[in-house]
Amino acid sequence: DVKVTQSSRYLVKRTGEKVFLECVQDMDHENMFWYRQDPGLGLRLIYFSYDVKMKEKGDIPEGYSVSREKKERFSLILESASTNQTSMYLCASRTQGNTEAFFGQGTRLTVV
Amino acid sequence: AQSVTQLGSHVSVSEGALVLLRCNYSSSVPPYLFWYVQYPNQGLQLLLKYTTGATLVKGINGFEAEFKKSETSFHLTKPSAHMSDAAEYFCAVSAGTGGFKTIFGAGTRLFVKA
Repeated sequence: DVKVTQSSRYLVKRTGEKVFLECVQDMDHENMFWYRQDPGLGLRLIYFSYDVKMKEKGDIPEGYSVSREKKERFSLILESASTNQTSMYLCASRTQGNTEAFFGQGTRLTVV
Repeated sequence: AQSVTQLGSHVSVSEGALVLLRCNYSSSVPPYLFWYVQYPNQGLQLLLKYTTGATLVKGINGFEAEFKKSETSFHLTKPSAHMSDAAEYFCAVSAGTGGFKTIFGAGTRLFVKA
């Protein structure tokens, strides 16, 4: 089975902190994604990566950056956390093309 | 560009009743369509997908969906609801060269009454 692992289930951070969310997949997938999930808004794409060291902005990249130095790992970085970044963050991976995505368990981030 | 609209943010059914969750999509090219389910405090897992071929797609846990191009719809159904079906359901579309972006609907929360 494909496994996508997010490093933390719950995080509480202070405003202004730099926050790292880590995601690792074990199926050699080319594509990896970071979404945030908010009630009534569904999943919104923050960033995606289609290969190592490659990244593309999604629909809401402001305030975020990403890093993909190895194929299996995709990190989301909140440069200076703000309260409006309190949300559920979901990582996903998939093979190339219009295939289904496999999701991690999610990280619920609270910024205080 | 693609988009997905899920009609109804909340749907409530009685145990044993038909489940119908509605999804309409917009895509300028032939789409790939997905339904995912999310249980509380979990990530999303795939219920079923439509790529090409047969328009009636069967998935896990007794769910199925029918791709209707003329109606740009991909509604999810289950003949008989079970308490364990209570969850949030997301419709998604992926299309275009490379298909990098998968666009999700806002989600429909399904409640099942005993």
